[in-house]
Amino acid sequence: NAGVMQNPRHLVRRRGQEARLRCSPMKGHSHVYWYRQLPEEGLKFMVYLQKENIIDESGMPKERFSAEFPKEGPSILRIQQVVRGDSAAYFCASSPLASGQGSYNEQFFGPGTRLTVL
Amino acid sequence: ILNVEQSPQSLHVQEGDSTNFTCSFPSSNFYALHWYRWETAKSPEALFVMTLNGDEKKKGRISATLNTKEGYSYLYIKGSQPEDSATYLCALRMLTFGGGTRLMVKP
Repeated sequence: NAGVMQNPRHLVRRRGQEARLRCSPMKGHSHVYWYRQLPEEGLKFMVYLQKENIIDESGMPKERFSAEFPKEGPSILRIQQVVRGDSAAYFCASSPLASGQGSYNEQFFGPGTRLTVL
Repeated sequence: ILNVEQSPQSLHVQEGDSTNFTCSFPSSNFYALHWYRWETAKSPEALFVMTLNGDEKKKGRISATLNTKEGYSYLYIKGSQPEDSATYLCALRMLTFGGGTRLMVKP
């Protein structure tokens, strides 16, 4: 059973370009969480998705950031018109149950995507 | 906004020492507390999910307790080994993370 997969592992973009980060959850998991780790900071929640639904996006910046988890395919975190401050490690995690419905199941993290904005 | 605090921020111990650190959180509306182990250059690895007041969980030399009424959880490591060196994170409902405790075990 493959773990959570993220690609690319490293992504370099110039200011103003778009960044697309992909996350494939573990088999059987229908819930995906995206987190960001800025340099010298801890993990910060961004968004929590179920298939075809955004459940909680309270941690997402209001502009330029969007996320989706389509019925088929990986979850995508999209950052438009990247700026240097977007440089960070972006982790996704998956679980079989919703965070609000007990949070009793373990959450499995992917290896992360390190985004560098030049 | 939930506030999750961890202390100490960092800890240096000798191999063989036992150690513990704390995760504090608001005691109202508690749902579940997660502990993770995060080694440098890797991704966080789930250790425990704590849900009930008085919960005590164990995995090898690592154990954790939970007090939801006073809003804290302790993580204990018995007989620390160099391979235990990592950052230990706690999180409420997988949404709000503490800043972590960075443990360094010297051989």
